[in-house]
Amino acid sequence: EAQVTQNPRYLITVTGKKLTVTCSQNMNHEYMSWYRQDPGLGLRQIYYSMNVEVTDKGDVPEGYKVSRKEKRNFPLILESPSPNQTSLYFCASSLGPGDEQYFGPGTRLTVT
Amino acid sequence: AQSVAQPEDQVNVAEGNPLTVKCTYSVSGNPYLFWYVQYPNRGLQFLLKYITGDNLVKGSYGFEAEFNKSQTSFHLKKPSALVSDSALYFCAVRDPLDKLIFGTGTRLQVFP
Repeated sequence: EAQVTQNPRYLITVTGKKLTVTCSQNMNHEYMSWYRQDPGLGLRQIYYSMNVEVTDKGDVPEGYKVSRKEKRNFPLILESPSPNQTSLYFCASSLGPGDEQYFGPGTRLTVT
Repeated sequence: AQSVAQPEDQVNVAEGNPLTVKCTYSVSGNPYLFWYVQYPNRGLQFLLKYITGDNLVKGSYGFEAEFNKSQTSFHLKKPSALVSDSALYFCAVRDPLDKLIFGTGTRLQVFP
């Protein structure tokens, strides 16, 4: 089954404790993205990647890192999480930026 | 700056009536425009997209969208709403740097 998986689905952590949210797709897609969803703000793109070893900043990259060492994986790293990063995070993939995106189920992160 | 606006936070419509969810955009060059739907506790699902060609685009679940270049709009429509259409709808545009910009979302409530 074609899908995007994210782990963990739920995470409660404390300020400053490094964490990684994994994202994997099995569709051989070139383009992958991370978004955060906040009430009243919609979805905002954090980082995106056009291909392996190519990543670019989206609209809200501060406080986040990503890597794309393999085509299928695109982990999101929070080196020192802060409470303002409490949000619902989605990973997505597509053939290209002009194509239909497939979204993962989301990761609800709470930073206390 | 590239942007997407969804002027209505919520749209209420009776089952069986036509529905419209509004979207306007601002982007350089020819726009790639998308609509996505989010059901409760789920990731986003693709509904339809416009790249070029016919101004009326047909998508999933009986939805369609009308591209209007002069009004820079891409409104989502359905001739006859169903209660099961109740969800959060997002309009999105691809910018010249291949970032994806989403609107803030419109909650559609269809009443029996």
